[in-house]
Amino acid sequence: KAGVTQTPRYLIKTRGQQVTLSCSPISGHRSVSWYQQTPGQGLQFLFEYFSETQRNKGNFPGRFSGRQFSNSRSEMNVSTLELGDSALYLCASSQISTTTYNEQFFGPGTRLTVL
Amino acid sequence: QQQVKQSPQSLIVQKGGISIINCAYENTAFDYFPWYQQFPGKGPALLIAIRPDVSEKKEGRFTISFNKSAKQFSLHIMDSQPGDSATYFCAAKNFGNEKLTFGTGTRLTIIP
Repeated sequence: KAGVTQTPRYLIKTRGQQVTLSCSPISGHRSVSWYQQTPGQGLQFLFEYFSETQRNKGNFPGRFSGRQFSNSRSEMNVSTLELGDSALYLCASSQISTTTYNEQFFGPGTRLTVL
Repeated sequence: QQQVKQSPQSLIVQKGGISIINCAYENTAFDYFPWYQQFPGKGPALLIAIRPDVSEKKEGRFTISFNKSAKQFSLHIMDSQPGDSATYFCAAKNFGNEKLTFGTGTRLTIIP
């Protein structure tokens, strides 16, 4: 099975611009979660989507948004970019089971640099 | 609010030695505790995980010890090898909730 794929792998933007990142989960996985990783704040949960619905949201401003498509692929969007948005954005997918814990598989991430 | 505290921030261990990383959590609703390993340029990969109904879980050279009353858990890497050099993250979540709360990470370096 192919792993979680994220595109693009690297991105450079300037302040005020917007950006869209894409994530393709492992085949059969219906839950997609997004995390932001920075040296100062570590790994922080952004949001989780399941069946095209946002089920959970972290403590990030409304400039961060996402969506999920019917094929479980997900995108996240950051509008009005700030310097502090420079980070590695990680996507994780998991199968959803009601009887066991769901292992999350992470993609390689998209490295966003805001100048 | 940091709900999972991890220490040490960095660790240097000689080849063949035991590496120990500790985590403490605050939220008693957490009931699943995974450890992730991350190499530069890669996403985190699940190493081993434990539920609070057991006090220890071992997979190969990796062992998690769990102390529910103290709300602490730790990762032990036996016979540490240079290939184990990576950043390790502890995490916690609730059953049925995909949100992982991560510790701040430990950069492990194994020296010959």
